[in-house]
Amino acid sequence: TQLLEQSPQFLSIQEGENLTVYCNSSSVFSSLQWYRQEPGEGPVLLVTVVTGGEVKKLKRLTFQFGDARKDSSLHITAAQPGDTGLYLCAGTNIGSSNTGKLIFGQGTTLQVKP
Amino acid sequence: KAGVTQTPRYLIKTRGQQVTLSCSPISGHRSVSWYQQTPGQGLQFLFEYFSETQRNKGNFPGRFSGRQFSNSRSEMNVSTLELGDSALYLCASSLERGRTEAFFGQGTRLTVV
Repeated sequence: TQLLEQSPQFLSIQEGENLTVYCNSSSVFSSLQWYRQEPGEGPVLLVTVVTGGEVKKLKRLTFQFGDARKDSSLHITAAQPGDTGLYLCAGTNIGSSNTGKLIFGQGTTLQVKP
Repeated sequence: KAGVTQTPRYLIKTRGQQVTLSCSPISGHRSVSWYQQTPGQGLQFLFEYFSETQRNKGNFPGRFSGRQFSNSRSEMNVSTLELGDSALYLCASSLERGRTEAFFGQGTRLTVV
């Protein structure tokens, strides 16, 4: 069974602090995505990384895909209360049988206090 | 462009009943996938449909089924509901098979009592 281990599971920080969320696996992924989900809503796609070593920035969020395409990280600089939510990493394993199937990490619940 | 639309948003059913959930993908998207989200298991893949055919299936019992229509709209059905089927059911659409970006609807919150 392919798994994505996400850490930490919970994070409570003060506004202005920096944080990093990690997503690790023993499997190679053809792509990896990060989502943010608010209570009662569906996940909203933040970014997709495809190439090993790739780094993408979205305002204060920086996403990195590991060189071996087995891990990824999300770094938030100067967190704001509006960043509060559940952050999910999700990947697609290599192989035609895995097409269309996203494997999700368990998620990181982030709370940013004013 | 409208996003993924799921109906109904909330549903309460009794054990043993069956339920049908609906998903309208983003216009032009041809691939639809379904996921179950629970606090204990997180998001788990149910199945994927493309061109009206189920292309991939997760590890769920046969009580969970689905279909896709020629306009790419999809439905999923759960028969003989159990308490453990209570969950947020999410539909995601993608432009084509193999495209990495999946866009999710708001989900249907199913409660089985």
